[in-house]
Amino acid sequence: DIQMTQSPSTLSASIGDRVTITCRASQSISSWLAWYQQKPGKAPKLLVYKASSLESGVPSTFSGSGGGTEFTLTISTLQPDDLATYYCQQYSSYPPTFGGGTKVEIK
Amino acid sequence: QVQLVESGGGVVQPGRSLRLSCAASGLTFSNSVLHWLRRAPGKGPEWVSGIGVGGERETHYADFVKGRFTISRDNSKNTLYLQMNSLRGDDTAVYYCARGFHSSGRCDTFDIWGQGTMVTVSS
Repeated sequence: DIQMTQSPSTLSASIGDRVTITCRASQSISSWLAWYQQKPGKAPKLLVYKASSLESGVPSTFSGSGGGTEFTLTISTLQPDDLATYYCQQYSSYPPTFGGGTKVEIK
Repeated sequence: QVQLVESGGGVVQPGRSLRLSCAASGLTFSNSVLHWLRRAPGKGPEWVSGIGVGGERETHYADFVKGRFTISRDNSKNTLYLQMNSLRGDDTAVYYCARGFHSSGRCDTFDIWGQGTMVTVSS
């Protein structure tokens, strides 16, 4: 199975800050990487697919980049509604696997 | 409005069985690839099983459920199922159904999720 490693596990930032989350794959997954946002008690929400394509309806303050084994999710200007846990997921091969998550908190 | 609604969760003793259902509306069910995922307390999401439009001929399972869980679909009822046998304590989780989308040709992202149903395996 392809292992996905996220960092940091927790991130404290202020409203308006630029936030970057990193995800590493244990082997090359080309651009087959997605990012999700999950809030307490809610299902995950797809934000980004194919490393950098924004899902319909997702604010342009979110962006994804990277390829191969290294990927990043950036929130250009942190908003109160962005407080959540973020997960990366590879879909290069079965089984699809997720990172351990990055919890974004208010400083 | 596209919607997936899970049901069938509950508290069950180790070794027993449970069947989850996922009712779909607002999407072309028969043309949709569907999956079950779960999230255990304090952990991230974990993929469990998936089924293609071809039904039983196109199923995938995580190693930790192979031989214990069976995924199926009834296109006439727009419903996805997960039959879970020989349940263990580490199967305790919120179980979600989700639609597979933005495929790599081998695997999917998950663009529509249900609200989840809680399964607790405990004596």
